[in-house]
This record gives sequence, C-alpha cells and structure tokens, in this order.
Amino acid sequence: ILNVEQSPQSLHVQEGDSTNFTCSFPSSNFYALHWYRWETAKSPEALFVMTLNGDEKKKGRISATLNTKEGYSYLYIKGSQPEDSATYLCASLNDYKLSFGAGTTVTVRA
Amino acid sequence: DSGVTQTPKHLITATGQRVTLRCSPRSGDLSVYWYQQSLDQGLQFLIHYYNGEERAKGNILERFSAQQFPDLHSELNLSSLELGDSALYFCASSPWTDERNEQFFGPGTRLTVL
Repeated sequence: ILNVEQSPQSLHVQEGDSTNFTCSFPSSNFYALHWYRWETAKSPEALFVMTLNGDEKKKGRISATLNTKEGYSYLYIKGSQPEDSATYLCASLNDYKLSFGAGTTVTVRA
Repeated sequence: DSGVTQTPKHLITATGQRVTLRCSPRSGDLSVYWYQQSLDQGLQFLIHYYNGEERAKGNILERFSAQQFPDLHSELNLSSLELGDSALYFCASSPWTDERNEQFFGPGTRLTVL
C-alpha cells in the first residue's frame, strides 16, 4: 500500500480568505496525481488530473500544482466561499495502482 | 449527477451472507472501478474492469469478486460477510483504459453487516 499523505487533516477558513493544502506521494514509478472534491452526502467529483512535473491546473477559484521530483502537490482555493466546504482527496497513480490520501476537510465560515 | 448509477443505495445484512452490488457506468464509458470506503480508512481501490476484462486488482479480498457484463454494467459480489465489511462501496467509470484520467463516481452503496 503506497503512502499518500494529506495535510492538514482539516482546516477552517474565513469566507473570502484564501487557503492551500498539501498532498505528498511517492515519486517513484509515478504516472498521475488526481484531485477530487467530496461534499458530504455526495460522491467524489474530479477536479484535476496532472501528470507532468510543473503542471498547474485551474478551475475557477481552485488551482493545483505538481512537483513529481519531490512528490508533492498543492491545492489552492482563492477567496473561499461557503460552497467550497468539502473534503478534498488526492490520489497518486504509481505502478498503475491508484492510492488515495485520507483527505483534507475544508470548512468555510461565513 | 455524474451519470453513474449504483444499486441498492443501502443494504443491511447479516454475517456470513452474500450480497451483490450493481453499477451502471456513464453512457459510453468502458472502464469501471470499485472502491471501498471504511470508517477508519480512506478510499481503497478494489478492482478495475475495462470492456469486460479485468485490468487491475487492488486490495480485494478473496471473498469478493466482480465482473463486467457485455452491456458494461458491473457487479461486485461480497460473500461470507464479516462485520468489518461494513463500508461505503463506490464504483466509478471512465472512457479510458487506465487511471491517468479522471474518474466519475457513483453515489455509492452503503453496506451494513450486523
């Protein structure tokens, strides 16, 4: 079982503030890094899939970066809104096996 | 709504029993993935089928099996159920052969083993 770690486990952010959190993954035999957004009582929804070192992707106020050499990815939320409250999961594809982290739960306070 | 459907939504059964969970992928998607989400663990990959053929196996117990049918729906069979099998089981689908692309998750089946 590969070690994909996300930190922090949870965070609270004031509405309008920006925040970011980390996904660490094994850099050996790496193929892709997935980010998913998982709202309570719903199913995970794909945000990004990144494969190349230095990749940056953006969807609205959410963006992500990828460093495959050191094995980490950052997810950024700019100007947090209450609807951004969710658990954000990352998953690393190594040796063609996808391993998920435990997630970072973001709560946006109005 | 991702377009992936799973039935049943909830399932309550007893230890030692056997259940079948069903997944219908999005129209046109050839890959189906099964995942288990237990209370104390993150999403665990179980198995991947592509166009009827098994592509990859993860942490799937020997008591569990799956198949993908010609119409591309998939079933996950869980037998000799134990209390620890209680979990949320997701399936996901994608049009691609491997995991280098996004997956679309169904709503999940919550299995409770008493």
